[in-house]
Amino acid sequence: EADIYQTPRYLVIGTGKKITLECSQTMGHDKMYWYQQDPGMELHLIHYSYGVNSTEKGDLSSESTVSRIRTEHFPLTLESARPSHTSQYLCASSESATGVKAFFGQGTRLTVV
Amino acid sequence: RKEVEQDPGPFNVPEGATVAFNCTYSNSASQSFFWYRQDCRKEPKLLMSVYSSGNEDGRFTAQLNRASQYISLLIRDSKLSDSATYLCVVNQAGTALIFGKGTTLSVSS
Repeated sequence: EADIYQTPRYLVIGTGKKITLECSQTMGHDKMYWYQQDPGMELHLIHYSYGVNSTEKGDLSSESTVSRIRTEHFPLTLESARPSHTSQYLCASSESATGVKAFFGQGTRLTVV
Repeated sequence: RKEVEQDPGPFNVPEGATVAFNCTYSNSASQSFFWYRQDCRKEPKLLMSVYSSGNEDGRFTAQLNRASQYISLLIRDSKLSDSATYLCVVNQAGTALIFGKGTTLSVSS
């Protein structure tokens, strides 16, 4: 089993609130990713990081921000949640070399009301 | 053109059937390739890596054709538990994993 954890698993929150989705891994992986996925739809990369102090935006424009102050931790923040942010957010990590597999956390299912 | 394209689904097959999924990728610099499986409302999990020489894991066989930029997954003797969405994934040096839209398989008794 992968040692990558996301909290909370489920979050229902009101419009305008600031939220932080947590993602931690204990495998020492340099690469970490955030994907967004609506039910029955494809995964969209929204942020990724190659190591401490490295963050990049993904293919899908997102109003969220990320930080990578520690190798094991890659939180995602929404400053002001909106109903359009309702989705599942999946965090993943992998070693730096290509050809190695990525492990996913169980996801955070966010509902903004 | 999307970077990773997969067969449209869903594939509805009876138990015991053989089913094949196809995937094409657009960037010839892609270096590593995978098939992931995602169950409904769950996170994706690695099914198998895909190597140029082709590789097999039990009932599953993956093939890669770099010249055609084409990846395939063959499932033999389908089981009910194989019902899931199968995601084709491509990785290039210096970029993140790129996922296809996925192909849904439904195996019925």
